[in-house]
Amino acid sequence: AQSVTQLDSHVSVSEGTPVLLRCNYSSSYSPSLFWYVQHPNKGLQLLLKYTSAATLVKGINGFEAEFKKSETSFHLTKPSAHMSDAAEYFCVVRPLGTYKYIFGTGTRLKVLA
Amino acid sequence: SQTIHQWPATLVQPVGSPLSLECTVEGTSNPNLYWYRQAAGRGLQLLFYSVGIGQISSEVPQNLSASRPQDRQFILSSKKLLLSDSGFYLCAWTGNTIYFGEGSWLTVV
Repeated sequence: AQSVTQLDSHVSVSEGTPVLLRCNYSSSYSPSLFWYVQHPNKGLQLLLKYTSAATLVKGINGFEAEFKKSETSFHLTKPSAHMSDAAEYFCVVRPLGTYKYIFGTGTRLKVLA
Repeated sequence: SQTIHQWPATLVQPVGSPLSLECTVEGTSNPNLYWYRQAAGRGLQLLFYSVGIGQISSEVPQNLSASRPQDRQFILSSKKLLLSDSGFYLCAWTGNTIYFGEGSWLTVV
């Protein structure tokens, strides 16, 4: 069965330091992969998506993610954290040929002043 | 442009009471529609999805049901709510990616 695993439920970084949110997926074929962000009491916003084009995907607000097939990973990074980045982040997989979007359990990012 | 509306935004219901959450999409035709639930401290759990009128796929066996009476309308229902049904319910539709409504907070007391 297809699934997605977010390896850290909570991540804390200092403002101005790099952010790394880890995501691994399992899928029989190359899936589509997404990162979404959810700020407190808000809906979900798409950060970026991978759909079998360039393996390094750039998103909004300075975030990017790299698709590594050999490692079945799609980690989210940002060179320098900002206070406004504090939110919950979801890695999402859509297996090839399906209508399902499968969410990870989320990583709550805390940014320290 | 496409928009998705979901209501009610918040509701408090007693255990054993019925539930109806409604979702409509505007600006597109024949969308794929979804219901997700987000419980406190957990990720989004796919409950139902629909690829057309009257076509419902259930992902998690439970006391909830879904219906799609019209092309752009998706309804989540329950005949008798349980405490464990409390959570944040999100309706969504897919174009080139998945787009979410603003969600409905359900508290079962």
